[in-house]
Amino acid sequence: GQQVMQIPQYQHVQEGEDFTTYCNSSTTLSNIQWYKQRPGGHPVFLIQLVKSGEVKKQKRLTFQFGEAKKNSSLHITATQTTDVGTYFCAGEMTGANSKLTFGKGITLSVRP
Amino acid sequence: NAGVMQNPRHLVRRRGQEARLRCSPMKGHSHVYWYRQLPEEGLKFMVYLQKENIIDESGMPKERFSAEFPKEGPSILRIQQVVRGDSAAYFCASSGLVSETQYFGPGTRLLVL
Repeated sequence: GQQVMQIPQYQHVQEGEDFTTYCNSSTTLSNIQWYKQRPGGHPVFLIQLVKSGEVKKQKRLTFQFGEAKKNSSLHITATQTTDVGTYFCAGEMTGANSKLTFGKGITLSVRP
Repeated sequence: NAGVMQNPRHLVRRRGQEARLRCSPMKGHSHVYWYRQLPEEGLKFMVYLQKENIIDESGMPKERFSAEFPKEGPSILRIQQVVRGDSAAYFCASSGLVSETQYFGPGTRLLVL
């Protein structure tokens, strides 16, 4: 079945450093979504990417969808302590009935 | 504009008891999804329902688990004869159309003693 992979599962950065993480799918996706979950909280939708090569920005966060629509990246510029949490990507397979397949997520910690 | 609501937020059960988890989707949403999250794990899809119909239950364990989304009232995820391995956070999400963003509820943390 479809797999969505996020490696590594944990990353620690110093406040102010940039951070990039990647998401890879075993199959072509119709769209990819990113969610953030704070410790003890629930996933909160961040962004959806639909077009090949699409780039979207939200303040210090930049999201990109790969040309082949099989991978995506999230880049955070100048991390802050408020960025801590687990970032999940979730892919919807082409032709599927909207079932999202989530990656295991990457948990980001930021040292002040 | 209330978001997705889930109750209870925390549920403690002894082995062999039943657990009922409820989810009220966001107003106007007719698509409901249930996910399970084990500690330090990702979200695992369980089931996708529309009103009165199960669309995809490929992630549901074959035994003891069932889900419904009746015409009136919340969606229910039911776990019969719970075992310790069922301890997890169960999240419900809803969407308005089939490929729209899913909005998550706060989750139900189930602990089986």
